[in-house]
Amino acid sequence: GAGVSQSPSNKVTEKGKDVELRCDPISGHTALYWYRQSLGQGLEFLIYFQGNSAPDKSGLPSDRFSAERTGGSVSTLTIQRTQQEDSAVYLCASSLSGTDLDETQYFGPGTRLLVL
Amino acid sequence: TQLLEQSPQFLSIQEGENLTVYCNSSSVFSSLQWYRQEPGEGPVLLVTVVTGGEVKKLKRLTFQFGDARKDSSLHITAAQTGDTGLYLCAGERMDGSYQLTFGKGTKLSVIP
Repeated sequence: GAGVSQSPSNKVTEKGKDVELRCDPISGHTALYWYRQSLGQGLEFLIYFQGNSAPDKSGLPSDRFSAERTGGSVSTLTIQRTQQEDSAVYLCASSLSGTDLDETQYFGPGTRLLVL
Repeated sequence: TQLLEQSPQFLSIQEGENLTVYCNSSSVFSSLQWYRQEPGEGPVLLVTVVTGGEVKKLKRLTFQFGDARKDSSLHITAAQTGDTGLYLCAGERMDGSYQLTFGKGTKLSVIP
């Protein structure tokens, strides 16, 4: 595609429910990143994929959060048993290789998650 | 943990004024990037600075990377209403991972 796309654009869920967020990176981009942006906070790194593997999961806040990437393309971020503090904008970005200095990350529009 | 502090957090100025936004850290970064984010959208890269002391200009925007590669500034000359948005700085870690650490951002409002 022309850019990074994410779905859904907005998601409202009840506390305790599971949610799945999807990211379609730019075609041909090997690296994919998930970030979380909360009100008044900067972008918080969650996880990084190089192809289908995730060499860096250090940012996942708890074991309720998981992510996978299949076919070196689409990625899904799953949050189980959602809590109100999970409410945030979840941003996905992709870059060509993820291994070059000052490589540009291209961001999607984000999924706005609200946990009631 | 490598932290980036941005200041000011909020800035409201009249159209035509000049402004400077700062991004500071006690850590050294391989490079530093500046992004602009509009409501409902993801951040868009404006510039990457790599060399200590480097200055890059993008029309009315001037970006500077500190000599020690720990800080950066963004200067906007003759601000326009279209400059309104959230400006984020992000540092690329030195550990070879090329992961980005983001500041909390400066929310700029340019009033006509």
